Amino acid sequence: NAGVTQTPKFQVLKTGQSMTLQCAQDMNHEYMSWYRQDPGMGLRLIHYSVGAGITDQGEVPNGYNVSRSTTEDFPLRLLSAAPSQTSVYFCASSPPLLETQYFGPGTRLLVL
Amino acid sequence: GENVEQHPSTLSVQEGDSAVIKCTYSDSASNYFPWYKQELGKRPQLIIDIRSNVGEKKDQRIAVTLNKTAKHFSLHITETQPEDSAVYFCAARHPNDYKLSFGAGTTVTVRA
Repeated sequence: NAGVTQTPKFQVLKTGQSMTLQCAQDMNHEYMSWYRQDPGMGLRLIHYSVGAGITDQGEVPNGYNVSRSTTEDFPLRLLSAAPSQTSVYFCASSPPLLETQYFGPGTRLLVL
Repeated sequence: GENVEQHPSTLSVQEGDSAVIKCTYSDSASNYFPWYKQELGKRPQLIIDIRSNVGEKKDQRIAVTLNKTAKHFSLHITETQPEDSAVYFCAARHPNDYKLSFGAGTTVTVRA
């Protein structure tokens, strides 16, 4: 199993551009989530999904959209990038009935 | 929602000494408390967790204690080694929720 994978590893955007951060897992996990990590602020939840077709907002959802058409994939879309969205983004997944979350390798995003 | 506070934000210890990180949570119904270790440039990885029906759990040099009455839990690292240098995050989860609420993190530096 590859576990949780994320692409790209690093991305530079200009203000106003849009892009999609990809996340996939091959462990048949029901729960998936997106976090952003900023210095001194820990991991903040952006959006999460408890299964295909079901998504919900986390702590900091503004400026981001998600969809969950399959169990494996959970892409995060930035509609119009802003410098405040410069961060490291982590995707995570966990199996049903278990609390342990497994993180992907992260995507480092720089918005100029 | 759940609010998790973590202290200290930085911790420097001499190799061989012990390190203790403390977290408090706000929701007395929270029942799952994991600790994640994040090495520089890497993803967070679970190192130990505890559930509310247990007061203490140990795994080799690391241990976690939980005080439900006071709503705080702590990570203890004994006989610290250079490879223990990392950022450590605590988290808490409510039983009716899939989401984890993270503390802001503690940067641990082990001095040789």
